[in-house]
This record gives sequence, structure tokens and C-alpha cells, in this order.
Amino acid sequence: EAGVAQSPRYKIIEKRQSVAFWCNPISGHATLYWYQQILGQGPKLLIQFQNNGVVDDSQLPKDRFSAERLKGVDSTLKIQPAKLEDSAVYLCASSLGGGGLTYEQYFGPGTRLTVT
Amino acid sequence: EDKVVQSPLSLVVHEGDTVTLNCSYEVTNFRSLLWYKQEKKAPTFLFMLTSSGIEKKSGRLSSILDKKELFSILNITATQTGDSAIYLCAGGAGSYQLTFGKGTKLSVIP
Repeated sequence: EAGVAQSPRYKIIEKRQSVAFWCNPISGHATLYWYQQILGQGPKLLIQFQNNGVVDDSQLPKDRFSAERLKGVDSTLKIQPAKLEDSAVYLCASSLGGGGLTYEQYFGPGTRLTVT
Repeated sequence: EDKVVQSPLSLVVHEGDTVTLNCSYEVTNFRSLLWYKQEKKAPTFLFMLTSSGIEKKSGRLSSILDKKELFSILNITATQTGDSAIYLCAGGAGSYQLTFGKGTKLSVIP
């Protein structure tokens, strides 16, 4: 079974530039999550999709971050404009979701973003 | 606001030692407690516990959940250098969201 795919793996940009990350979840997984993990911290949920609808984006800095999952499969996360404090690993995860108690989330390899 | 607190934040042990990692949680509409191992980038799933007092085991790793006292422990016996990693604890809520702790960084030295 193919895992969660993410690209790029690394990105270095200057502050005020924009950047986009891509995620392809495990086939058949209805729920997709984007996390931000700052060095020394646990992953922090930015946004959760159920199919192509947003379930929770309460912790997404909406003035600069946006995300979409148009066809209920792939997703992109964008930052525009980037700030120094956005330097982190951005993790995408997916789970079966749906009606069962399926909390097990599978993570992609992440994108390490460095903002200079 | 949901909160998961792990302790200790870091731990150094010798190969063969047994370690216990702690996780306490305050999660609204709590449903499950999950443990992940993070070696480089992606956290990999270890255990999910939904019922109190039931121990889950996988080889040298085991975990138990106490829903009354709102904590969980992860035990690793006969540690090996390959166990060196960050261990993340997460509380699962009703909408399939996970709230993660900061993690415990375990270093196993030969």
C-alpha cells in the first residue's frame, strides 16, 4: 500500500515570498490533515478535511495560510507571504475517517520549510 | 483548549534498560489515546488505546491507558539503540482530530 506522498521535501524561501506544498493521501482515505511541527514541539493541526470539505481550520492563520482539497483527494497548502516564524516541518496525514472510530493517522515524510 | 503533556521531555538510557514514558491529557470529547514514534520526519503509529486499563503490546513496547486519571504510559523493555527517537502521545477527539504533546526524546546509548 502506497503511503502519504508529499512534495517538495525541502524548501528555502525568503520572508514575504510565497510557497506551496502538495499532499497525496493514501488511496481511499477520506480525511486529510495538515500539521505544522516547529522544532522541539509536537505537530499542531492547521486544517482538517473530510473529503473536500473543511472540518476544522481554527488554528490556520488565515491571513497568510490557505489550503484546498478540490476533488477530495490531493491537497495543497499555501503560505503567502511567509514569515520567519513559519520555518517548520509541514506534515500531511490521512485517515480512513468516516463513521467508525478510526483515529489512526498515517503521516507523509513532511516538507521542511526554512524562511530566511 | 485541549492539552497533552508528556514527561520527561528527554531521557538518556543505556542499552538493555527499561523506560517508562508518561502522557497526561485533557481532551474535550476524548475518544482515544495514540502513541507515535518519530525518528526523522514522519511519525509512525505505535498504539491506539480506547479502553481503560487494557494493555497493548507489540514486542518490547507496551502501553496502558487510565481514563479515570487521564494518563497513559508507554513502556519499552530491553531498550536498543534503534529505539532512539521522539515518542509522541496524542489525544483523539470526536471529530478524528489529534492533539499532540511535545514528545519525549529518548536516546539509547550502547
